[in-house]
Amino acid sequence: KNEVEQSPQNLTAQEGEFITINCSYSVGISALHWLQQHPGGGIVSLFMLSSGKKKHGRLIATINIQEKHSSLHITASHPRDSAVYICAGNSGGSNYKLTFGKGTLLTVNP
Amino acid sequence: GAGVSQSPSNKVTEKGKDVELRCDPISGHTALYWYRQSLGQGLEFLIYFQGNSAPDKSGLPSDRFSAERTGGSVSTLTIQRTQQEDSAVYLCASSRNLVAGELFFGEGSRLTVL
Repeated sequence: KNEVEQSPQNLTAQEGEFITINCSYSVGISALHWLQQHPGGGIVSLFMLSSGKKKHGRLIATINIQEKHSSLHITASHPRDSAVYICAGNSGGSNYKLTFGKGTLLTVNP
Repeated sequence: GAGVSQSPSNKVTEKGKDVELRCDPISGHTALYWYRQSLGQGLEFLIYFQGNSAPDKSGLPSDRFSAERTGGSVSTLTIQRTQQEDSAVYLCASSRNLVAGELFFGEGSRLTVL
């Protein structure tokens, strides 16, 4: 069993819909990363958060350390948001040895 | 440089050959990380460097894998006597330091072992 679980594995949405991707972890972590990987492309860091909520444009990430749960929300989704979204937890207060979820493949149709 | 640079972007090799993958991190980033992404699999941590030091090599899949970093900058991941199961995309990332968060990833080196 992976220590970091994402749901759903696959998500298809229509343009404009509100998207939520969930990440639960069983390990004790001090911070969690949300990453975006476009097909055939590199990986971009979206957020690193250890508490509360962060917002960047149409993306919002929340984390509840006590419940060991984080969510990534996309408002007014667009086809260019189609990508794999990956959450990863780091323990010990550093980026050392991140534990990755298996990713959520998001497809936003026009 | 402006971003994390990896080379080669693609490498096809025969089983049993040695390969070297290079990562040039963002200037001034003291922390450097290597990950592997196999087809259909998630990201797997391999090794990290703080400066030139790699305190924990337990993520390396076997003793055929080694990595070094010189001058606190460029890192090389070496795979000796490659096997077909080594085929994957090898990703490098850097961050300002181990604690300060944002990771910057390179485009990866796609290794295919025939």
